[in-house]
Amino acid sequence: NAGVTQTPKFQVLKTGQSMTLQCAQDMNHNSMYWYRQDPGMGLRLIYYSASEGTTDKGEVPNGYNVSRLNKREFSLRLESAAPSQTSVYFCASSEGTDSSYEQYFGPGTRLTVT
Amino acid sequence: LAKTTQPISMDSYEGQEVNITCSHNNIATNDYITWYQQFPSQGPRFIIQGYKTKVTNEVASLFIPADRKSSTLSLPRVSLSDTAVYYCLVGDPIKAAGNKLTFGGGTRVLVKP
Repeated sequence: NAGVTQTPKFQVLKTGQSMTLQCAQDMNHNSMYWYRQDPGMGLRLIYYSASEGTTDKGEVPNGYNVSRLNKREFSLRLESAAPSQTSVYFCASSEGTDSSYEQYFGPGTRLTVT
Repeated sequence: LAKTTQPISMDSYEGQEVNITCSHNNIATNDYITWYQQFPSQGPRFIIQGYKTKVTNEVASLFIPADRKSSTLSLPRVSLSDTAVYYCLVGDPIKAAGNKLTFGGGTRVLVKP
């Protein structure tokens, strides 16, 4: 039981390049999330998926797209990377029920855009 | 969406009890209070969640007064490994996905020997 896994762990992009961050969970969770965390700051929600087949915007969605490929996988795509997107990206999942607010986080992807 | 306010940082010593208070004056009826812990270079980890009064688990206690406008996370007998950032989160689990999930700046707790 690996929990939430993310790939890659590190990535350096040039301005204008594109890339996809991958996330997978093996806990049969309904909901999945993508956050970014800038240095010394709290996490900000980019996009979320309440259940398989649905996605919605969070607090800072501009410049990103997501795909809920199946119940296990939720990917985040940067179509044209900008230096302002330099950050650590965390994927998380939760049961999505009304009895638990507990989210399980992956180890993060450290992205630098030059 | 309930805004939360917590101290930016706190220092403590090994073996002491650490209490972190979070203010959430506009908490809604259906909102729960949740605390997360984050170590450097790691994702946050769920610590405890509560709605009212007191909740205790193996690592912490959460005290919530009757008006629910604040809450206090209590870490008993901290060790050096409890040095981390602690986040207070207020939201409605039924509508948990998306905009209700907002992490503030957190409280940096430094435990000294």
